[in-house]
Amino acid sequence: EPEVTQTPSHQVTQMGQEVILRCVPISNHLYFYWYRQILGQKVEFLVSFYNNEISEKSEIFDDQFSVERPDGSNFTLKIRSTKLEDSAMYFCASSEGLPGISEAFFGQGTRLTVV
Amino acid sequence: AQSVSQHNHHVILSEAASLELGCNYSYGGTVNLFWYVQYPGQHLQLLLKYFSGDPLVKGIKGFEAEFIKSKFSFNLRKPSVQWSDTAEYFCAVGEGGSYIPTFGRGTSLIVHP
Repeated sequence: EPEVTQTPSHQVTQMGQEVILRCVPISNHLYFYWYRQILGQKVEFLVSFYNNEISEKSEIFDDQFSVERPDGSNFTLKIRSTKLEDSAMYFCASSEGLPGISEAFFGQGTRLTVV
Repeated sequence: AQSVSQHNHHVILSEAASLELGCNYSYGGTVNLFWYVQYPGQHLQLLLKYFSGDPLVKGIKGFEAEFIKSKFSFNLRKPSVQWSDTAEYFCAVGEGGSYIPTFGRGTSLIVHP
């Protein structure tokens, strides 16, 4: 069964460093998303991406964040200068069609710890 | 802004007990409703969804949920839980226009054998 894969599963980084979280969505999917979940809190939407551009983003997704689909298969989330409060589980998801109408398939997540 | 409330953060049950997890949302317009489950060490999986039609939705593994528009609720139910249902359960609501689901905090369910 096709699945969304995320690497790495755990990432520890020092405050102020740049991190890139990687995701390989399901191959025929057209919509891609990043969510995050700070420990003990709700899953929060960060950004959606369609047709090589951001289609929607939340207030959390500020200038420190960027997304890219560099090679047609990977979908990356970059945090330019990490802060302690960026520590969270980051989930990538993809869907074949419109979000909220087509099922979104999630990866297992990358646990980011900023020290 | 849309908000999704899951009032039960931790639920502990014995096997064969009945389950009901509450979910309420704030948006007054057309919504798409979802329940996701995350088993330990695994990714989020869709349990069931409601877009329109019969407000009683049947999902996988014996779960069902009922959309009550007047109460802005979409509660998840299962008549008899199993130890394997131990997981984190997330309600999510996509409002008309955006469709991006907003997630609740999640409910941690532990089922004792």
